[in-house]
Amino acid sequence: AQTVTQSQPEMSVQEAETVTLSCTYDTSESDYYLFWYKQPPSRQMILVIRQEAYKQQNATENRFSVNFQKAAKSFSLKISDSQLGDAAMYFCAYRRQGGSEKLVFGKGTKLTVNP
Amino acid sequence: EAQVTQNPRYLITVTGKKLTVTCSQNMNHEYMSWYRQDPGLGLRQIYYSMNVEVTDKGDVPEGYKVSRKEKRNFPLILESPSPNQTSLYFCASSRRQGIYNEQFFGPGTRLTVL
Repeated sequence: AQTVTQSQPEMSVQEAETVTLSCTYDTSESDYYLFWYKQPPSRQMILVIRQEAYKQQNATENRFSVNFQKAAKSFSLKISDSQLGDAAMYFCAYRRQGGSEKLVFGKGTKLTVNP
Repeated sequence: EAQVTQNPRYLITVTGKKLTVTCSQNMNHEYMSWYRQDPGLGLRQIYYSMNVEVTDKGDVPEGYKVSRKEKRNFPLILESPSPNQTSLYFCASSRRQGIYNEQFFGPGTRLTVL
């Protein structure tokens, strides 16, 4: 079974600085997708960024970018120019191609942004 | 507005009293799913549905039932709730297949079973 590990239960960053959240996963599949979701205090799950495993190029979305290392099964999220609104729980998630469409989530990293 | 709605948003109940959490989406999505979120465990899938009348178990299905009689609705049923089902529940929907078939999440239902 696929597993997703987020080794940092909590992280903090100063406003305007850069922070990197770690995620590793375990799978025997070759084709899959990876995601980062943000959950602010409102509890809404918001998709931040996504990556297809067959693409070597790292995905970027404005201030958010990933470092995808397929061989190492690592998928870290970098937030640049951190803003107070970035404070939230961040979940890394895996989904295999085809099958049940199930998202397998990590346990989450709570990000605090200090003014 | 494209959205997934859940009702109720908050519910406090007692052990053994049957309840239903409704989920509805207006995007004509084939795929729908229920997750539960517990502190320190992330989100785990309870049940999912690939289309009308097609449902299957996720990772933690014990104590839950679902049905998919209409494409837009996917209710979660707790026939005899127990305190270990106290959790935050999310419904999600998407089109089938492909990375850009993003799963849209509902706002969550906070359930407390006393």
